[in-house]
Amino acid sequence: DQQVKQNSPSLSVQEGRISILNCDYTNSMFDYFLWYKKYPAEGPTFLISISSIKDKNEDGRFTVFLNKSAKHLSLHIVPSQPGDSAVYFCAASAHNQGGKLIFGQGTELSVKP
Amino acid sequence: GAVVSQHPSWVICKSGTSVKIECRSLDFQATTMFWYRQFPKQSLMLMATSNEGSKATYEQGVEKDKFLINHASLTLSTLTVTSAHPEDSSFYICSARVGGGGDTQYFGPGTRLTVL
Repeated sequence: DQQVKQNSPSLSVQEGRISILNCDYTNSMFDYFLWYKKYPAEGPTFLISISSIKDKNEDGRFTVFLNKSAKHLSLHIVPSQPGDSAVYFCAASAHNQGGKLIFGQGTELSVKP
Repeated sequence: GAVVSQHPSWVICKSGTSVKIECRSLDFQATTMFWYRQFPKQSLMLMATSNEGSKATYEQGVEKDKFLINHASLTLSTLTVTSAHPEDSSFYICSARVGGGGDTQYFGPGTRLTVL
């Protein structure tokens, strides 16, 4: 049972435009959500997170939106840069489940110059 | 952000041998560390949760006698793959959590294990 789903395995965007990566979840107990960026053969790098008490969190070019009723979150990157090309994983955790992270399958973002 | 290191970054071993992977939190104390495994082009799968001073909690389907975890201090957790076989070849990644249940996990750079 895939509790966190990223239905788009890949996304291609032109440099300077907005990249929107989507993530859906099924477990209503999740109360903390994170986005990680990962290069091949490296560990994930934390990008941005959001608590379930918020619906938006912004950090520079990265904004995460959370829609609890739809059990959906998205990561917006604007403007997109070639260096943003990587695999992006969304992850979710529930405080009453030990805080362990459940990851989506990842979306490979390619930003073309 | 917090820094987590892993050692070694890659290891090649013969079938039947045991391999130990270290995970260290360099600039913070981590009461909880996590061990993940990633197969090519797949997501990270949580193997176990490691709490300092207590036994690790393993996810369903993960053999605790095969993947030994020790969290002897607030900055070090080790994963030992015992009697490794080729199907254990994978990318192993640890993470450390700074605070309580909702806090962010910071990941190590990963260890590529190849069992011949």
